[in-house]
Amino acid sequence: DTGVSQDPRHKITKRGQNVTFRCDPISEHNRLYWYRQTLGQGPEFLTYFQNEAQLEKSRLLSDRFSAERPKGSFSTLEIQRTEQGDSAMYLCASSQRETQYFGPGTRLLVL
Amino acid sequence: AQKVTQAQTEISVVEKEDVTLDCVYETRDTTYYLFWYKQPPSGELVFLIRRNSFDEQNEISGRYSWNFQKSTSSFNFTITASQVVDSAVYFCALSFFSVISSGSARQLTFGSGTQLTVLP
Repeated sequence: DTGVSQDPRHKITKRGQNVTFRCDPISEHNRLYWYRQTLGQGPEFLTYFQNEAQLEKSRLLSDRFSAERPKGSFSTLEIQRTEQGDSAMYLCASSQRETQYFGPGTRLLVL
Repeated sequence: AQKVTQAQTEISVVEKEDVTLDCVYETRDTTYYLFWYKQPPSGELVFLIRRNSFDEQNEISGRYSWNFQKSTSSFNFTITASQVVDSAVYFCALSFFSVISSGSARQLTFGSGTQLTVLP
């Protein structure tokens, strides 16, 4: 049984660079979520896909952030012109119904 | 607006002690779900339990039990006979119903977490 996977697990970048993260959900799950978690806080919702449709976006998702799920399977989250404030853990989750199952996260450090 | 409060920032217990983690929530929804997740040092959030708003029956699952009280908007989580491997950050989360034209989404609103340390 394969869980949610995320790649890369760690990313260090310089301010102003673009980064892209990938999430592969549990295969039969049609719902996919992105969250951001900063140190000492709980995860905060960023965006949600049902199949390939992006149905909801948080106000946290500025115009520098874009997410896609082109074929309703894996998803990518891109951050353009990274800022130091983007440093965080980016978590992906998937679900078939109410319970969301999380991946190991991508830890981003912007220098 | 939805809000989850975990007032206990850190708890330390000695192995084999019972420990209860508190969670208080706010929501205007009549239908919602409550969750507990565990985040060990490795960082991955692990699902523990789920409860829906129309079922206040409290249950025990192994060493885990939970006390859901709608009247006080609380969803407390107890670990019996704690073990060192239980050391982690525990998050309480609320799932509210978000109606989208093409379907529905249930975003999770998390508390700030409780760091549990179980000492040998």
